[in-house]
Amino acid sequence: EPEVTQTPSHQVTQMGQEVILRCVPISNHLYFYWYRQILGQKVEFLVSFYNNEISEKSEIFDDQFSVERPDGSNFTLKIRSTKLEDSAMYFCASSEVSYEQYFGPGTRLTVT
Amino acid sequence: RKEVEQDPGPFNVPEGATVAFNCTYSNSASQSFFWYRQDCRKEPKLLMSVYSSGNEDGRFTAQLNRASQYISLLIRDSKLSDSATYLCVGLTGNQFYFGTGTSLTVIP
Repeated sequence: EPEVTQTPSHQVTQMGQEVILRCVPISNHLYFYWYRQILGQKVEFLVSFYNNEISEKSEIFDDQFSVERPDGSNFTLKIRSTKLEDSAMYFCASSEVSYEQYFGPGTRLTVT
Repeated sequence: RKEVEQDPGPFNVPEGATVAFNCTYSNSASQSFFWYRQDCRKEPKLLMSVYSSGNEDGRFTAQLNRASQYISLLIRDSKLSDSATYLCVGLTGNQFYFGTGTSLTVIP
C-alpha cells in the first residue's frame, strides 16, 4: 500500500538555525500539505501546495517558512531561523482531488 | 473563534458498546468534512469522509447536518482497538481545520 514518508523522524536544532523537513508524498497525488502539532495540542494547518505553487497558507505560515517541490517526488518544508516555539511534530500529507488526506509519520522537531 | 469544536472527552466505554461523537463547525461555507483517528504520538489516519446523506463503513457511521452545522460519528460494537483520539476535520476553501479531538478508551 502506498504511503507518505518523512525524514528525518527526529530533528534537534539550535535556536536560530535553519532546518529542512522532507516528505515523499504518494506518487499519484496532486495536493500536498504541511501541518504541525505542538505536544498536547491540536493539529494545525500550515500550507497546501498544488500545481507547483502554494494554494493556501495559514497565519502560522509566516516569512520564516517556505515550501518547495524540488523534483518529481520530494516536498520540503524549510524553517529559517528556528525559534523555541517551533518545537512540534510536523506532518506532511498528500491527497487526490477528493481531499482525503494521507499523512506521513511526522518529523519531531526539537529546538533548543 | 474555533472553526471546529469537539468535546475532548474522555469517553470510557466497555467493549461492545455504541458510542457517538459530535463536532460543530462555525463556518457555513465549509464544504467538506472528515473523521480521522490519531493514536498517541502517531499521525492522523483517515477514517472516513462525511456526506450529507450519511455514510457507513462497517461499524462506523458518519453524518453531516448542514442546517445545524454539526458532524457526528457513531461507533457500534466498539473494540479495544478503537481506543484512540478521534479528530473532526473541516475544509474551508483550501484550508483544513482540525478539532482538538475526542479521546476514546474502550475498556475490556
